[in-house]
Amino acid sequence: SQQGEEDPQALSIQEGENATMNCSYKTSINNLQWYRQNSGRGLVHLILIRSNEREKHSGRLRVTLDTSKKSSSLLITASRAADTASYFCATDLNQGGKLIFGQGTELSVKP
Amino acid sequence: ETGVTQTPRHLVMGMTNKKSLKCEQHLGHNAMYWYKQSAKKPLELMFVYNFKEQTENNSVPSRFSPECPNSSHLFLHLHTLQPEDSALYLCASSQTEPSNQPQHFGDGTRLSIL
Repeated sequence: SQQGEEDPQALSIQEGENATMNCSYKTSINNLQWYRQNSGRGLVHLILIRSNEREKHSGRLRVTLDTSKKSSSLLITASRAADTASYFCATDLNQGGKLIFGQGTELSVKP
Repeated sequence: ETGVTQTPRHLVMGMTNKKSLKCEQHLGHNAMYWYKQSAKKPLELMFVYNFKEQTENNSVPSRFSPECPNSSHLFLHLHTLQPEDSALYLCASSQTEPSNQPQHFGDGTRLSIL
């Protein structure tokens, strides 16, 4: 089974609503990262949270990390149609930069 | 722009062809990566190069042959591929020291095997 598993697999909301995506993992991590992928493009790094951090903010993004539950969440507040994309969590096991990605959450924000 | 450029963006090839994918990074990073992204599957790490040395080969079939001539360039040589190899191939780079650095991705090569 995978290191990172995300839910929901798909999420559809209206503009202005908040979107929450969750990620669970199995082994100890150095850090956990969230990435975004627009259709037909590469992944873009959003935010990195270290294993000794519990919460991090970047603009409309809020990430939490609970190492006791081996889980993380990404909250996008006041969503916009331009936030429509796939979002992936990735765990860094401190093995020379190697990341293990989850299957991702497809977010659709309707105007 | 992410600073990582992949060419070509699209490639259609027959199973008997030989082709190469190219990746170039302008970020001064020491590590480069090849990933395979298939529909409905997580990104699969294929190869990792650190200071031009291969540090990871994730049980990739020998019909995929990577080459890293220097820290800025990474190639993936393809020969006698199978239809299940059709996917988006993504290249990424990162700085591994100090740790806790993100990866920077190119826009990928969409590969279709006929």
